Amino acid sequence: DAKTTQPPSMDCAEGRAANLPCNHSTISGNEYVYWYRQIHSQGPQYIIHGLKNNETNEMASLIITEDRKSSTLILPHATLRDTAVYYCIVRVNFGNEKLTFGTGTRLTIIP
Amino acid sequence: GAVVSQHPSWVICKSGTSVKIECRSLDFQATTMFWYRQFPKQSLMLMATSNEGSKATYEQGVEKDKFLINHASLTLSTLTVTSAHPEDSSFYICSAGSREGLDETQYFGPGTRLLVL
Repeated sequence: DAKTTQPPSMDCAEGRAANLPCNHSTISGNEYVYWYRQIHSQGPQYIIHGLKNNETNEMASLIITEDRKSSTLILPHATLRDTAVYYCIVRVNFGNEKLTFGTGTRLTIIP
Repeated sequence: GAVVSQHPSWVICKSGTSVKIECRSLDFQATTMFWYRQFPKQSLMLMATSNEGSKATYEQGVEKDKFLINHASLTLSTLTVTSAHPEDSSFYICSAGSREGLDETQYFGPGTRLLVL
């Protein structure tokens, strides 16, 4: 799996959009970008994933650059419950392919 | 999304005893499940890949005789920590893949916190 680079920490004001960047410059053509988050003392929660097109669901939006070397996860209206560690992971979309977790970004939502 | 459960959510045991942790996919079948371990203030580390009907694949440095994995059905995988010691105290998390057409997403259980005294 390609490696990813994320800032170790970020703050965001409650109610504002939180934009979390991720660099994956060595991503392969068949690797997807996945985002998970882990709230303290819980298992990771799936957020969103994409291959090359931008994606949106009820939780977030995923913006992938045209060259696929970086992406941004957007939480449109951050709440205090969005405080968590966010992990950006690239992996091929096969059932027996593992997820390799880096150190992620610790996002703190400020009241 | 799909739901993965783990049991127990926490366990305290004496050194030298064995502990079994169950991981279930509640509304889907998973031929492959994964077991992770997380120490305080660290990221998740993959321990092993659990394959239904066959032997598990262990990551380098993980003792297969100490961490026994059984994937007896498409909805259940178990991790048994044998002869547990205080250094095995950790947060153990499983995941399972849910497939919709060509798309496959890993979903995680809530984790099991193990404390070995």
